[in-house]
Amino acid sequence: SQKIEQNSEALNIQEGKTATLTCNYTNYSPAYLQWYRQDPGRGPVFLLLIRENEKEKRKERLKVTFDTTLKQSLFHITASQPADSATYLCALVRVGGNNRLAFGKGNQVVVIP
Amino acid sequence: DAGITQSPRHKVTETGTPVTLRCHQTENHRYMYWYRQDPGHGLRLIHYSYGVKDTDKGEVSDGYSVSRSKTEDFLLTLESATSSQTSVYFCAISESEGTDHYEQYFGPGTRLTVT
Repeated sequence: SQKIEQNSEALNIQEGKTATLTCNYTNYSPAYLQWYRQDPGRGPVFLLLIRENEKEKRKERLKVTFDTTLKQSLFHITASQPADSATYLCALVRVGGNNRLAFGKGNQVVVIP
Repeated sequence: DAGITQSPRHKVTETGTPVTLRCHQTENHRYMYWYRQDPGHGLRLIHYSYGVKDTDKGEVSDGYSVSRSKTEDFLLTLESATSSQTSVYFCAISESEGTDHYEQYFGPGTRLTVT
């Protein structure tokens, strides 16, 4: 069966350090992978998309890598700030089209001042 | 929230009653989705629409129906609410024309409690 796995344990990190989250998937061959941020009581917000032929993508302090051989994406927040505290979701496009996504369960990040 | 509203934002209802949740968008996007989010399960797709009057089931569609009579509105109906349908429901929209990004934009959510 298809699975998207993210660490269920919250990541506690000191302000200024780099937070790294992992997204592993099985039985998918995604053309690209997305990352979303979700704050408590709110809907997810799109952050970044990376295509299968891209090894790395950056946006401000965010960096995403995508290794289709390992079936893994890494999400980095450099120089983390307390405002980065949230849950981060990875998502893959589902086979069958219609822009459907399959989401991981998310990984919480807590940045400690 | 990218021109997406959901109503109501909160609702408490009794088991066995019908409930309709509404999603309204002002972005003229083609695709609309209904998800539920529960602890330990993450976001799960209930139903989606790929155009007016074009809908299809997602992974957890049992007990739910949808309708889309206009581009801007997507309704989710629980025909006879059960306690297992207590959840937070999110609507999302996505566009396809001129893009291959597939990113989705989410509404603020509806917290539904079935007692």
